[in-house]
Amino acid sequence: GENVEQHPSTLSVQEGDSAVIKCTYSDSASNYFPWYKQELGKGPQLIIDIRSNVGEKKDQRIAVTLNKTAKHFSLHITETQPEDSAVYFCAASHGGTSYGKLTFGQGTILTVHP
Amino acid sequence: GAGVSQSPRYKVAKRGQDVALRCDPISGHVSLFWYQQALGQGPEFLTYFQNEAQLDKSGLPSDRFFAERPEGSVSTLKIQRTQQEDSAVYLCASSLETRFSGYTFGSGTRLTVV
Repeated sequence: GENVEQHPSTLSVQEGDSAVIKCTYSDSASNYFPWYKQELGKGPQLIIDIRSNVGEKKDQRIAVTLNKTAKHFSLHITETQPEDSAVYFCAASHGGTSYGKLTFGQGTILTVHP
Repeated sequence: GAGVSQSPRYKVAKRGQDVALRCDPISGHVSLFWYQQALGQGPEFLTYFQNEAQLDKSGLPSDRFFAERPEGSVSTLKIQRTQQEDSAVYLCASSLETRFSGYTFGSGTRLTVV
């Protein structure tokens, strides 16, 4: 089955700096890669996603890049703010299903210091 | 409703007890997923429903776990004879389309087995 590796496990930055989180996946048939933000006591919230026919997608301060050849994708957050502090998860969908069963990475605890 | 609602938010069960966890998806959402999230880990897939049909239960850890969605809306995850290793947050998510379009997660039920 699919395996998703995520790093770093923790990331500490100063407010205004950029943050980058990287993930690799094992199943070359995976075709959908969402990123989720999870705050304490809440469920994961979708913040951005990318499909395998696109190499990069941007939404304000957040961007995701995908390298299908290398089977890795990354989340980039620019101009970080304290409210960006949370746990971030990458995920990949199994290419063999039509309903989007996701395999998640282990998570990155992002701390943005004011 | 406005979001995915799960109840109870917290559940403490004595080892060997049966528990039932409820999920109210967003009205009209066809797809419903259950995930298990251990402390400090990413969510792991348990099972998937398309309307009332359970199309994938490959992630259920044992035959003590059972899920249903009899009328294609509310779903219940039941765990029989709970064990300590069942302690986790159980997340429910729903999606509008049968083809993957992005999940909305509930806040989860934190189950503690003592």
